[in-house]
Amino acid sequence: TQLLEQSPQFLSIQEGENLTVYCNSSSVFSSLQWYRQEPGEGPVLLVTVVTGGEVKKLKRLTFQFGDARKDSSLHITAAQPGDTGLYLCAGVDNAGNMLTFGGGTRLMVKP
Amino acid sequence: DAGVIQSPRHEVTEMGQEVTLRCKPISGHDYLFWYRQTMMRGLELLIYFNNNVPIDDSGMPEDRFSAKMPNASFSTLKIQPSEPRDSAVYFCASSPDVPTGTFSGNTIYFGEGSWLTVV
Repeated sequence: TQLLEQSPQFLSIQEGENLTVYCNSSSVFSSLQWYRQEPGEGPVLLVTVVTGGEVKKLKRLTFQFGDARKDSSLHITAAQPGDTGLYLCAGVDNAGNMLTFGGGTRLMVKP
Repeated sequence: DAGVIQSPRHEVTEMGQEVTLRCKPISGHDYLFWYRQTMMRGLELLIYFNNNVPIDDSGMPEDRFSAKMPNASFSTLKIQPSEPRDSAVYFCASSPDVPTGTFSGNTIYFGEGSWLTVV
């Protein structure tokens, strides 16, 4: 079973700062997703990446899929308090296993 | 669309009692998933259904847990008897596609969760 490790586990920053969170595995993924979960809510899909080296942008969020399709990163520019939440990566490997979630990065952006 | 609807939102029960969590998936979605989320273990898949049929229940912790989907618009997750270590947030989710293999990235839609506390 693939294992997705996310880092850091916790991140507390000031409004306006930039940050990057990582999702790493020893497995190769056919696709990888990023979700954001706000307190008291379920996870909501932000993006899906499927091609090695792919970069997708969603306003101030930039998602990158590693060339080898084993890792991904999420970069947030000029973080805002509204970005606060739990960021989860989830991957589907090539062996037919079910979508697996990482442990998440809990982000707090202070005003 | 109303999204995935779960009930109850919060439940506090005593150890040994039966707990039933309910879910109404998004209409037209063929796949329904039950997840459990805790700080220690993160988001874990318990079981999923395709067209009301359980496909993989390998994530169900033990015999105290059971799930049913009697029709396309309703599913239950039952814990009997409940134990304090079952305390968690239980999410139901639905999707038009199954997230394996050549999964194209169809969205999995999560409900707001059922917060269970067993004392």
